[in-house]
Amino acid sequence: GDSVTQMEGPVTLSEEAFLTINCTYTATGYPSLFWYVQYPGEGLQLLLKATKADDKGSNKGFEATYRKETTSFHLEKGSVQVSDSAVYFCALNPSGSRLTFGEGTQLTVNP
Amino acid sequence: DAGVIQSPRHEVTEMGQEVTLRCKPISGHNSLFWYRQTMMRGLELLIYFNNNVPIDDSGMPEDRFSAKMPNASFSTLKIQPSEPRDSAVYFCASSSRQGGTYTEAFFGQGTRLTVV
Repeated sequence: GDSVTQMEGPVTLSEEAFLTINCTYTATGYPSLFWYVQYPGEGLQLLLKATKADDKGSNKGFEATYRKETTSFHLEKGSVQVSDSAVYFCALNPSGSRLTFGEGTQLTVNP
Repeated sequence: DAGVIQSPRHEVTEMGQEVTLRCKPISGHNSLFWYRQTMMRGLELLIYFNNNVPIDDSGMPEDRFSAKMPNASFSTLKIQPSEPRDSAVYFCASSSRQGGTYTEAFFGQGTRLTVV
């Protein structure tokens, strides 16, 4: 079945460090791919998305590229801030069906 | 747009009591999702609706849980009777489904349920 696998957390970084959170997927058809972010005490918010192979989604300094050949959608940011501390979820909707989420990765950025 | 609105934000109830969670989706969205989030199990999809019709309720944990969507602007998730293991944050989300394709989902702020 369709699924998303995220790198295990938690991830702890110092401010201004480089961030990578790995995400790989298994899906039939041609899914759209998403990264959602959940700040403490809040609901999930869409961070970025990509709808087809080789698309790059970007927002707030975060980027992810839809790699069909490696079935991956890794999240990156060149210089993290304390305010980026949150839980990050990778998700897909295969062939336009409902969203399937990964387990989530807790990111903590220390000053 | 005000986004997805959930109420209450917090609910504390005694075991055995009925609990009703409410959700108002974004106007114009025709798909609605109920999720449950716990530390142990992460984010779980409980049920979702398209055009007010339940499509998949396989995630509903047991018969104590029920959900309704009487119209396009309102949905409820009911737990009767509630148990301590139901304690979690419950999220409602909405999206638009057109031509067989879902857009991204927009989430409410959640209801934190504590059953004592």
